[in-house]
Amino acid sequence: DVKVTQSSRYLVKRTGEKVFLECVQDMDHENMFWYRQDPGLGLRLIYFSYDVKMKEKGDIPEGYSVSREKKERFSLILESASTNQTSMYLCASKTVGRSNTEAFFGQGTRLTVV
Amino acid sequence: AQTVTQSQPEMSVQEAETVTLSCTYDTSESNYYLFWYKQPPSRQMILVIRQEAYKQQNATENRFSVNFQKAAKSFSLKISDSQLGDTAMYFCAFMTYNTDKLIFGTGTRLQVFP
Repeated sequence: DVKVTQSSRYLVKRTGEKVFLECVQDMDHENMFWYRQDPGLGLRLIYFSYDVKMKEKGDIPEGYSVSREKKERFSLILESASTNQTSMYLCASKTVGRSNTEAFFGQGTRLTVV
Repeated sequence: AQTVTQSQPEMSVQEAETVTLSCTYDTSESNYYLFWYKQPPSRQMILVIRQEAYKQQNATENRFSVNFQKAAKSFSLKISDSQLGDTAMYFCAFMTYNTDKLIFGTGTRLQVFP
């Protein structure tokens, strides 16, 4: 059974803290993604990675960075958390190419910044 | 830029009835995929159905089917014989052939009541 695991389901952090959200996939997928989900806005892409140490900005990268040192792990970093980063964060992975287009998602991390 | 629009923030349907969720998209690309994802209260995103743009035949998966109108850039989801377990957020999503990035709509919250 394919699996994308996010390290926390719920997280509460203080303004100004450095926050790490971790995501691990066991499917040997090349591509990994971080989305932010907000009511009325749907899912918006923050960053994605198409290979180890390779990354590309999505639609809303400001205030975030990412790290992918190993193929199976993709971390989202909030350098200095702010209250407007309170949100649901979803990690996803998929293989490359048109033979399999399905993306697999983690269960999400609901982050509250106080 | 590609956009996906879901104009129905919320819908409700009685158990065993049929409901249709709407989705429109905008793109200048000719080769792409369209998807419907389901996010139940557990927050686990699940692929419901996918459609390749070059295929004229509408995709079907058990009780779920789509009405794909390429010229109108419309991609609606029909759920037949609705069940309580269909209660969820439904997201329409788009992906071109030359990128692995999913672009999501804002979602439709579907409530199935007894």
